[in-house]
Amino acid sequence: EVQLLQSGGALGQPGGSLRLSCAASEFTFSSYAMSWVRQAPGKGLEWVSGISGSGDSTYYADSVKGRFTISRDNSKNTLYLQMNSLRAEDTAVYYCAKVGGGYKSFDNWGQGTLVTVSS
Amino acid sequence: EIVLTQSPGTLSLSPGERATLSCWASQSVSSRYLAWYQQKPGQAPRLLIYGASSRATGIPDRFSGSGSGTDFTLTISRLEPEDFAVYYCQQYGSSLWTFGQGTKVEIK
Repeated sequence: EVQLLQSGGALGQPGGSLRLSCAASEFTFSSYAMSWVRQAPGKGLEWVSGISGSGDSTYYADSVKGRFTISRDNSKNTLYLQMNSLRAEDTAVYYCAKVGGGYKSFDNWGQGTLVTVSS
Repeated sequence: EIVLTQSPGTLSLSPGERATLSCWASQSVSSRYLAWYQQKPGQAPRLLIYGASSRATGIPDRFSGSGSGTDFTLTISRLEPEDFAVYYCQQYGSSLWTFGQGTKVEIK
C-alpha cells in the first residue's frame, strides 16, 4: 500500500522560512511526478507545486512562484517544499500527493501538515 | 488558467437519494485530465474518479462520472451515510492543476 508520511511545518513568522517533507514508500518513487496541495482553514483545495519524477521539471502556482521551491531526493524517496518569504495567507494544511501516471490525477495523499504563519 | 466552477455550493439530500454534482470549465478540458475527489472533515482528499469517468481503486459503483469539453458531472446513485462530504473536481493542463471550489453534500 502506497504511503506518504509528511513532516515539518508548524509555526513560521511572516517573511520567514519553513521546509516540509514527504517520505514515500511502497511504490517506485522516481517513476512518478509529485505535487503539493494546500487548504486554508475552512476553504477549498489549492494546487501549489509539482515536480517530475526525475526532478528535472518543476511547476508552481502564481501565488507561490518565486517564494516556494519544490524538490525531491529519489535516493531517499522524499519530496520537499521549501517555503520562503512566508505570508499570513500561506497559512494552510499542506498535503503531498502522488500523481497517478498518464491521467495526472492525485491518486494518493499524505496525511497533511498544518503550517501557520503568524508573528 | 482554466477556472472550474462547481454547482451547487451545497446539496441537501436524504440517504438513498440521488446526487448530481456539476463542474463547468472556463475553457475546454481534456476528459483524460478531469478528476473528482471526496473530502471528509479532518481527512485528506480521496480520489474518486479519473479520466472523467473511470472509478479509482476501491470506489463503489454508485459513484459515476460523465461529461466532456466544459461540462462534467459526478453522480452518486443512492447516497449512503458515509457519502456526506465535500466533493471537488480538478483538471490538469499546461503543467498546471486547478480545483473547483467544492460542493458540500449534507444530510437533509
